[in-house]
Amino acid sequence: GAGVSQSPSNKVTEKGKDVELRCDPISGHTALYWYRQSLGQGLEFLIYFQGNSAPDKSGLPSDRFSAERTGGSVSTLTIQRTQQEDSAVYLCASSLGLSSGRPLYEQYFGPGTRLTVT
Amino acid sequence: TQLLEQSPQFLSIQEGENLTVYCNSSSVFSSLQWYRQEPGEGPVLLVTVVTGGEVKKLKRLTFQFGDARKDSSLHITAAQPGDTGLYLCAGWFPNNNDMRFGAGTRLTVKP
Repeated sequence: GAGVSQSPSNKVTEKGKDVELRCDPISGHTALYWYRQSLGQGLEFLIYFQGNSAPDKSGLPSDRFSAERTGGSVSTLTIQRTQQEDSAVYLCASSLGLSSGRPLYEQYFGPGTRLTVT
Repeated sequence: TQLLEQSPQFLSIQEGENLTVYCNSSSVFSSLQWYRQEPGEGPVLLVTVVTGGEVKKLKRLTFQFGDARKDSSLHITAAQPGDTGLYLCAGWFPNNNDMRFGAGTRLTVKP
């Protein structure tokens, strides 16, 4: 079946605008994760969902960031009033399940959304 | 501050050479994973190690988990240009209840 898909693949926005990033996980995967990867850096864990719920939102960089997941499938990451430091690749991953936030089984990553804030 | 330190940050070698990259932390991992990431793509899982002292082999790649579960290494034998990519280690830290990634080792294998 299809892998994890993300849209858009690239997004250029002006500082102060809101953006919405979308992730379609692999069908049947109950766990979904958002990460951010800045140039030359490793991945920064942002938030995970078990079904529709996100038990811990402390990884989100600021209150301008929010995420939701509906129907146990698609997730959206919203960044309000974007800043230049938000420029990065935003990666989504899904897995069959998790236990206390720890991924069970392999995480499958999408190709990411490259966000550029000008 | 990175919880996971990877070294070297960059590595450029000739085809056929051997190499080792390292992943170290002052914290104990519940489990550790190695990923390879190519430009424009998400990381792809290579291996998961769970038990201290564990050694796993995947063709020309050998992964080792330290006895104390604070460090890991990835050894590639007879590197090929297709091995070029960003190698990331990631550990699950139970105290933080999240997964942390190292900054990666960017490997270039020249033909």
